[in-house]
Amino acid sequence: DVKVTQSSRYLVKRTGEKVFLECVQDMDHENMFWYRQDPGLGLRLIYFSYDVKMKEKGDIPEGYSVSREKKERFSLILESASTNQTSMYLCASSSTSGGETQYFGPGTRLLVL
Amino acid sequence: RKEVEQDPGPFNVPEGATVAFNCTYSNSASQSFFWYRQDCRKEPKLLMSVYSSGNEDGRFTAQLNRASQYISLLIRDSKLSDSATYLCVVNPDTDKLIFGTGTRLQVFP
Repeated sequence: DVKVTQSSRYLVKRTGEKVFLECVQDMDHENMFWYRQDPGLGLRLIYFSYDVKMKEKGDIPEGYSVSREKKERFSLILESASTNQTSMYLCASSSTSGGETQYFGPGTRLLVL
Repeated sequence: RKEVEQDPGPFNVPEGATVAFNCTYSNSASQSFFWYRQDCRKEPKLLMSVYSSGNEDGRFTAQLNRASQYISLLIRDSKLSDSATYLCVVNPDTDKLIFGTGTRLQVFP
């Protein structure tokens, strides 16, 4: 069974703080993704990665960065959190050889005060 | 125009009813299509892929109309446990998936 875990289910941070969201998958998937999900806007892709140390911008990368030092781990960093980054953050992974099916982690609800 | 558009609902149906959702997509070069299911406060999970010839999985039937650029999902004999948000997902011939905003289904007793 594919398992994608995220470091926190709920997180409360203050404006200006640096925030780290961690995602780990145990299926040796090459591809990993970070999305945010907001009511009425659906899932929007922030960044994705096809391999260790590789990253690609998604549709809304501003205010975010990522790190992929190991294949199983993909981190999302909010350099200086702002209130408009309050959202549900979802990590996903997929296998290059397994088609496009993406497996999601349980999500992190981030509140920036 | 959004790349993937869905009626947000909610669709409120009684148990045992048949319900259908449609989804339209804008990129005619799109290659792959999926329906994902998302329960309240949970992550999305793949429900089924959508093939050109149409496909069925138990009470669920998915169809693709490339000429009109829409995808449908039919649920027969609705169960209470079918209550969820159904996300239409399209791969527009890139390495990324485009998710619709979802259609909410509420099945009542």
